[in-house]
Amino acid sequence: GENVEQHPSTLSVQEGDSAVIKCTYSDSASNYFPWYKQELGKGPQLIIDIRSNVGEKKDQRIAVTLNKTAKHFSLHITETQPEDSAVYFCAAYTPVLPGGTSYGKLTFGQGTILTVHP
Amino acid sequence: SAVISQKPSRDICQRGTSLTIQCQVDSQVTMMFWYRQQPGQSLTLIATANQGSEATYESGFVIDKFPISRPNLTFSTLTVSNMSPEDSSIYLCSVEERDRDRSTGELFFGEGSRLTVL
Repeated sequence: GENVEQHPSTLSVQEGDSAVIKCTYSDSASNYFPWYKQELGKGPQLIIDIRSNVGEKKDQRIAVTLNKTAKHFSLHITETQPEDSAVYFCAAYTPVLPGGTSYGKLTFGQGTILTVHP
Repeated sequence: SAVISQKPSRDICQRGTSLTIQCQVDSQVTMMFWYRQQPGQSLTLIATANQGSEATYESGFVIDKFPISRPNLTFSTLTVSNMSPEDSSIYLCSVEERDRDRSTGELFFGEGSRLTVL
């Protein structure tokens, strides 16, 4: 099955600096790569995603890059703010097509605790 | 995206008892997923629940321990049976955004149910 590795496990930056979180995946059939932000006491929230036919996607201060050949993808947060402090999870989606039904599985990385110091 | 409500949001349970977690969605969804997040850990898929069929369990999870119901397209329950302290976790319900009945991989999560087993 799919295996997703995420680094670093903790990341501490000063407000205004950039933060980068990296993930690798193992299954070349994976074709969708979302990133989730989980604040304390809350469920994970989808913040940005990228599909395998795209190399880069940007949404304001956050961007994701995907290198299909190397099987790795990254989250970039620029101009970090204290409210960016949270746990971030990457994930890889692998399609499974039993009996013709469109269905897939999402495998999560281990998570990165991001702390942005004012 | 769908609005997902889970009950209870948290509970403290005694060893050997069982607890049923409810998940209500504000729109009809084909597939619902139950995840477990142990303290400080990533998300692990327990099972996939389709309306009108038996849930599909992932390796390491069995129906006797985690029975699931899916009586209609907006509701599901997960029961954690005969609980032990090792079952102390956040249990998360999620639904998938689908495009013309095709899987997109985009999962949205409820706020989770935080169980502590003494």
